[in-house]
Amino acid sequence: DAKTTQPTSMDCAEGRAANLPCNHSTISGNEYVYWYRQIHSQGPQYIIHGLKNNETNEMASLIITEDRKSSTLILPHATLRDTAVYYCIVRVLMYSGGGADGLTFGKGTHLIIQP
Amino acid sequence: NAGVTQTPKFQVLKTGQSMTLQCAQDMNHNSMYWYRQDPGMGLRLIYYSASEGTTDKGEVPNGYNVSRLNKREFSLRLESAAPSQTSVYFCASSGPKGWREAFFGQGTRLTVV
Repeated sequence: DAKTTQPTSMDCAEGRAANLPCNHSTISGNEYVYWYRQIHSQGPQYIIHGLKNNETNEMASLIITEDRKSSTLILPHATLRDTAVYYCIVRVLMYSGGGADGLTFGKGTHLIIQP
Repeated sequence: NAGVTQTPKFQVLKTGQSMTLQCAQDMNHNSMYWYRQDPGMGLRLIYYSASEGTTDKGEVPNGYNVSRLNKREFSLRLESAAPSQTSVYFCASSGPKGWREAFFGQGTRLTVV
């Protein structure tokens, strides 16, 4: 799996958009970008994933550069409850049933939403 | 829906003691996983089970054994606990959409003294 680089920590004001960057310069053509977050002391939670097109769901938007070497997770209107560690993970899309091995979590970005 | 349930939530062991961490999911998922998380670190995969009847080693399997008891349950056993195994343990499961629909339990906080 390709390695990712994320800032250790970021601050964002409540109500503003939080933009979390991730570099994955060695990503290969069949690898997806996944984002998870972990709120203090809880298990990680899936946010969004994408291959090359921008993606949006009810939680966030994912912007992937045209060369796919970096991406940005956008939380459009951050709230205090969005304070968490955000993990950017790159790997081949896996389906269970036929077999699915684990995701590799790095240290992520600690996002702190300031009131 | 309960999702992924882990027991116990907290445990203190003495060095050399054994114990089993239990995990159960009610989402009919094929794949289940055990991770550990040390302070300030990301999660590291211990073992996983792609489907009932199969288990495979992850990144840090030494000192652990697992059993996929049935489709719902995946247990993690420490035969002889060591202080280096002090950590938070997370169980996870994933369905047909793989890591797009993966769910984690709330964790077991284990201290080995």
